[in-house]
Amino acid sequence: RKEVEQDPGPFNVPEGATVAFNCTYSNSASQSFFWYRQDCRKEPKLLMSVYSSGNEDGRFTAQLNRASQYISLLIRDSKLSDSATYLCVGSAGNKLTFGGGTRVLVKP
Amino acid sequence: GAGVSQSPRYKVAKRGQDVALRCDPISGHVSLFWYQQALGQGPEFLTYFQNEAQLDKSGLPSDRFFAERPEGSVSTLKIQRTQQEDSAVYLCASSLGGPDTQYFGPGTRLTVL
Repeated sequence: RKEVEQDPGPFNVPEGATVAFNCTYSNSASQSFFWYRQDCRKEPKLLMSVYSSGNEDGRFTAQLNRASQYISLLIRDSKLSDSATYLCVGSAGNKLTFGGGTRVLVKP
Repeated sequence: GAGVSQSPRYKVAKRGQDVALRCDPISGHVSLFWYQQALGQGPEFLTYFQNEAQLDKSGLPSDRFFAERPEGSVSTLKIQRTQQEDSAVYLCASSLGGPDTQYFGPGTRLTVL
């Protein structure tokens, strides 16, 4: 079983709709969590950090549930430019552990 | 400002050849990380440097993989006697301190024939 697991998708989302997806992690020693965005054939870029209290950055909301060991990302008012792979990431010790990514396709 | 750069961007090697992949981190970034990303997968950690010290190499898949950062800035990932399963994108990332807030380079796409 992988340390960080994600539904690979794709999630097909109408433009303007809301989409939400989770990831689960198995390493209880993970201290910090992040969502990265990766466009096709590009490098991952940090989208946002994830805190237990939940945090919001514009149309994006992230939530961490330590008791159930899952992290969520919600995207409101989806734009065509939100189409990408979203990587769930845990940090423990000196390294980041990535999930396999959830592919999101926003369509007109 | 300048981000993380990697070279070459693409490399095609015949099975059995040695390859060397270069990473130039953001100036002043103490930490440097190497990852391997297979098609359709997330990046997998290979190794971590703090300045010139290699503090974690637990992710290197075999002793054919070797990384160095002799002066605490540029790093080289070397793969000896390449195999087809080594085909992947090799990503380098750097950060000011620990593993949080890493900035990734564009990667080197290695294809082993």
